[in-house]
Amino acid sequence: GDSVTQMEGPVTLSEEAFLTINCTYTATGYPSLFWYVQYPGEGLQLLLKATKADDKGSNKGFEATYRKETTSFHLEKGSVQVSDSAVYFCALRTVDTGNQFYFGTGTSLTVIP
Amino acid sequence: DSGVTQTPKHLITATGQRVTLRCSPRSGDLSVYWYQQSLDQGLQFLIQYYNGEERAKGNILERFSAQQFPDLHSELNLSSLELGDSALYFCASSVSGGGSTDTQYFGPGTRLTVL
Repeated sequence: GDSVTQMEGPVTLSEEAFLTINCTYTATGYPSLFWYVQYPGEGLQLLLKATKADDKGSNKGFEATYRKETTSFHLEKGSVQVSDSAVYFCALRTVDTGNQFYFGTGTSLTVIP
Repeated sequence: DSGVTQTPKHLITATGQRVTLRCSPRSGDLSVYWYQQSLDQGLQFLIQYYNGEERAKGNILERFSAQQFPDLHSELNLSSLELGDSALYFCASSVSGGGSTDTQYFGPGTRLTVL
């Protein structure tokens, strides 16, 4: 079945460090891919998305490229800030699976000054 | 603020009881989704309603049920509660009922504690 695998956390980085959170997926159809972010005590917010192969989603300095050949959608940011501390979820959605969202387990990021 | 509202924010109850969680979607959104987030199982999709009709069902227990009303708000009913039902319950909404590009917007969640 469809699924998403994220790198295990927690991740702790110093401010201005480079961030990569790995995400790979398995899907029977042609999924759209998403990154959601959950700040402490809040719901999930859409961070970025990509709907077809080679698309790059970007928002707030974060980027992720839909790589069909490696079935990946890694999240990157060149210089993290303390305010980026949150839990990041990779997700996919396909029409073939009734449009259900499948979420990864989440990766907790803490950025220290 | 996503525009999705959920009430109550916190709920504490006892085993065996029944509770109702409420969700109001963003203005114009026709679909409502319910998710359960727990430490051991992560974020699990429960059920989706589109314009009043059930559209998709995930890992929802038989003790749980949901409905979407004509004004498009939704309620999730949890009965015969067990300790393991303690979790954050999120509602999300989207414009349409389908399409892989249809983005979901999440509410702030209801934290349920079963004692």
